[in-house]
Amino acid sequence: AQKITQTQPGMFVQEKEAVTLDCTYDTSDQSYGLFWYKQPSSGEMIFLIYQGSYDEQNATEGRYSLNFQKARKSANLVISASQLGDSAMYFCAMRVGGVSGGSYIPTFGRGTSLIVHP
Amino acid sequence: NAGVTQTPKFQVLKTGQSMTLQCAQDMNHEYMSWYRQDPGMGLRLIHYSVGAGITDQGEVPNGYNVSRSTTEDFPLRLLSAAPSQTSVYFCASKERDNYGYTFGSGTRLTVV
Repeated sequence: AQKITQTQPGMFVQEKEAVTLDCTYDTSDQSYGLFWYKQPSSGEMIFLIYQGSYDEQNATEGRYSLNFQKARKSANLVISASQLGDSAMYFCAMRVGGVSGGSYIPTFGRGTSLIVHP
Repeated sequence: NAGVTQTPKFQVLKTGQSMTLQCAQDMNHEYMSWYRQDPGMGLRLIHYSVGAGITDQGEVPNGYNVSRSTTEDFPLRLLSAAPSQTSVYFCASKERDNYGYTFGSGTRLTVV
């Protein structure tokens, strides 16, 4: 069975600084995918970024990048130039198997609360 | 294109009552899932479906039933509500050959 661990219940960062949110995972599958979602105080789940296990380059989406270290089984989210609107809960998630196969249903970590100070 | 629509947004039930949380998507997505979110627990999978007529249990299925008679709809039924089912419920869907899940806006359920 797969497992996602987010060890930081809460993080604080100064506006305009970069912040790293940690995520480690455990799976015996060779094919898997890693996601990050943002949940602002309004409650909706917003997809941020995805990394496939066979992708050699780290995924980037604007100010978000995923620091994928396969040997260490970590998939940390890096937010550059933090903004006040980045204050939210952040969830790491993983699905195993190919896009059209395997369990393809994401398992979520418990989340990290990020607060951006002005 | 409305995406994933969940109704109701808020609901208060008495212990022992039954109800159905509705989830509908208009994107012709094959895969649909129900999660519950509790403080400090992240999102936990209740049930999921990989197509019309096919459903399976997730991590916390007890006390919930689902069915998938059409591609568009995936209702979640609470058989006999208990205070432990107080939670925020999210429905999500995705295309077969796509990795990204689209979430509904959630249903906040309180069982008293």
